Amino acid sequence: AQSVTQPDIHITVSEGASLELRCNYSYGATPYLFWYVQSPGQGLQLLLKYFSGDTLVQGIKGFEAEFKRSQSSFNLRKPSVHWSDAAEYFCAVGPGGYNKLIFGAGTRLAVHP
Amino acid sequence: SQTIHQWPATLVQPVGSPLSLECTVEGTSNPNLYWYRQAAGRGLQLLFYSVGIGQISSEVPQNLSASRPQDRQFILSSKKLLLSDSGFYLCAWSAGQGQQPQHFGDGTRLSIL
Repeated sequence: AQSVTQPDIHITVSEGASLELRCNYSYGATPYLFWYVQSPGQGLQLLLKYFSGDTLVQGIKGFEAEFKRSQSSFNLRKPSVHWSDAAEYFCAVGPGGYNKLIFGAGTRLAVHP
Repeated sequence: SQTIHQWPATLVQPVGSPLSLECTVEGTSNPNLYWYRQAAGRGLQLLFYSVGIGQISSEVPQNLSASRPQDRQFILSSKKLLLSDSGFYLCAWSAGQGQQPQHFGDGTRLSIL
C-alpha cells in the first residue's frame, strides 16, 4: 500500500541553523513527490515538487529537497532557517488516480530566536 | 493566474444543524477538485474528489456529501452535523490533464457545539 512517513512530529531549531525534515514513502511505481507548508489557520502552500530528472529540486523560500530512490526518501532542507519558517510541513506522494495525493502526518517546526 | 476561494473562513454550528461549505476556482477550466478534513494535530484526510460536473467520488464513509453543480464550484454539505464533524476543511484543485500538484484554499474552521 502507498504511504508516507514523516518520522519527526516536532522539530525545534535556532534561527540561522540548518534544517532537514525527513520523509519516507512507500510507492509501487516512480513517485511524484511534494512538500507543502501550512501556517497556523491557513491552507497548504506548495514548496516544491519532484516529477523526474535532477534528484535535487529547488523550491520557494530557499528550500530544496533531494529524491533518493534507494532510500525511498525525499528530505526537505534549508541551509539557514528564518523565524518566519515556523509552520507545519507536509510531504506527499502521488500520483494516485486523478492526481490524488497521499500525505504524511506532518512535522511541526518551531524556530528559536 | 489561478485562484481558489473557500468560504466561510470560520463557522460555528450546533449539533444536528445542516452544513454548506463552498469552494470556487478561477482562472482554469475542468479542474480536478478535492475536499479534505484536517483534525487538530493530524494530517489531511481526503473526503471527496471530482473530475467533472456532477462526478463525485467519496473516499471515506461519513456524514458528509459533496456536489459539483458547476465546473469550478465544489460544495461540501451535511444534513445533520455531528460533534465528530469538527475540524479544518480544505478545498484543493489540480489541473485535469497530466500529473499536476494540488493547490489549496485557505480552509474553513468548523466548530460543532
